[in-house]
Amino acid sequence: DAGVIQSPRHEVTEMGQEVTLRCKPISGHDYLFWYRQTMMRGLELLIYFNNNVPIDDSGMPEDRFSAKMPNASFSTLKIQPSEPRDSAVYFCASSFDRNAFFGQGTRLTVV
Amino acid sequence: DAKTTQPNSMESNEEEPVHLPCNHSTISGTDYIHWYRQLPSQGPEYVIHGLTSNVNNRMASLAIAEDRKSSTLILHRATLRDAAVYYCILTSGGSNYKLTFGKGTLLTVNP
Repeated sequence: DAGVIQSPRHEVTEMGQEVTLRCKPISGHDYLFWYRQTMMRGLELLIYFNNNVPIDDSGMPEDRFSAKMPNASFSTLKIQPSEPRDSAVYFCASSFDRNAFFGQGTRLTVV
Repeated sequence: DAKTTQPNSMESNEEEPVHLPCNHSTISGTDYIHWYRQLPSQGPEYVIHGLTSNVNNRMASLAIAEDRKSSTLILHRATLRDAAVYYCILTSGGSNYKLTFGKGTLLTVNP
């Protein structure tokens, strides 16, 4: 398996634009996590899914953020509208049997 | 959620063992203890996890205190590639579990 695949690896967008981050989890994994990492706040859990169902989205900072998992092989994190303070590295991870694997992350810059 | 306490930073020398401590005095009987690490410019990486008994794998050993209020991650022979932030995390024993990261311990390995 190729591991957790995130796209794009880098994204630069203007304030106010919609941004969509994508994640393909490892086949057979039943949990999917979305994280955001900044120097100031560290690694923050935004939302996680179990068997495609959102379980806890208490970490989603605002209504501008939304996440979906339409099937077991794909998830998206959308920010609309984007703001400069959303600039961060966003990680997706998938897990089976309490062993999580992380993608390489998407570095988002909002100017 | 039960919390963990780790030193902010530690130093070690190459080829020497490293013992990374973690306190979790409010751990519940069904909480699992996980360790992840994050190398520079990479996503977090699973290291090891356990419940009650000590655990060994190719990367490290996990020593869990008898009362489970603390644990120690042991790297048997540190290499320069082990320089990373190490996170100690508790997850509930239920079917839905949150993988929430704290600040971790920054391990520096000296040549």
